[in-house]
Amino acid sequence: EAQVTQNPRYLITVTGKKLTVTCSQNMNHEYMSWYRQDPGLGLRQIYYSMNVEVTDKGDVPEGYKVSRKEKRNFPLILESPSPNQTSLYFCASQEYRGTDTQYFGPGTRLTVL
Amino acid sequence: RKEVEQDPGPFNVPEGATVAFNCTYSNSASQSFFWYRQDCRKEPKLLMSVYSSGNEDGRFTAQLNRASQYISLLIRDSKLSDSATYLCVVIAYSGAGSYQLTFGKGTKLSVIP
Repeated sequence: EAQVTQNPRYLITVTGKKLTVTCSQNMNHEYMSWYRQDPGLGLRQIYYSMNVEVTDKGDVPEGYKVSRKEKRNFPLILESPSPNQTSLYFCASQEYRGTDTQYFGPGTRLTVL
Repeated sequence: RKEVEQDPGPFNVPEGATVAFNCTYSNSASQSFFWYRQDCRKEPKLLMSVYSSGNEDGRFTAQLNRASQYISLLIRDSKLSDSATYLCVVIAYSGAGSYQLTFGKGTKLSVIP
């Protein structure tokens, strides 16, 4: 089954404790993205990757890091989480470029205390 | 002016009604347009792409008006299962495989028995 998986699905952590949210897709897609969704602000792109070892900033990259060492994986790293990073995070992948359907993971609900 | 704007709603309509949503965009270089559906606390899923000539998929019709810079989604014969938030997506290409993808904040639809 074609899918995008994220882990963990729910996480409560404390300020400053480094964390990683994993994202994996089994569709051999080149493009992958991370979004955060907040009430009243909608979905905002954090980072995206056009291929292995190629990443670029989205609209709200501050406080986040990503890596793309393998085509299937695109982890999101919060080196020093802060309460304003409490949000619902989605990973997405698409085959190639913007005209293709984006497939979203189920979401990770992060709370930073 | 915000890049992509949607009326947040909520639109409360009775079963069987016809309802239409608009999404306006400010970047005249935008080239690809989509409607996504998001159920509460779930990931967005592609509903339909929007083509220049307009397109229909069952009870759903999407249209693009480039002159006025908006896309629309029409839902006929509303069902209870249509209750969700509808997100528009606008993509503008900036060359060399890069593109700017912007989500609207979504329009909430509630179909009432």
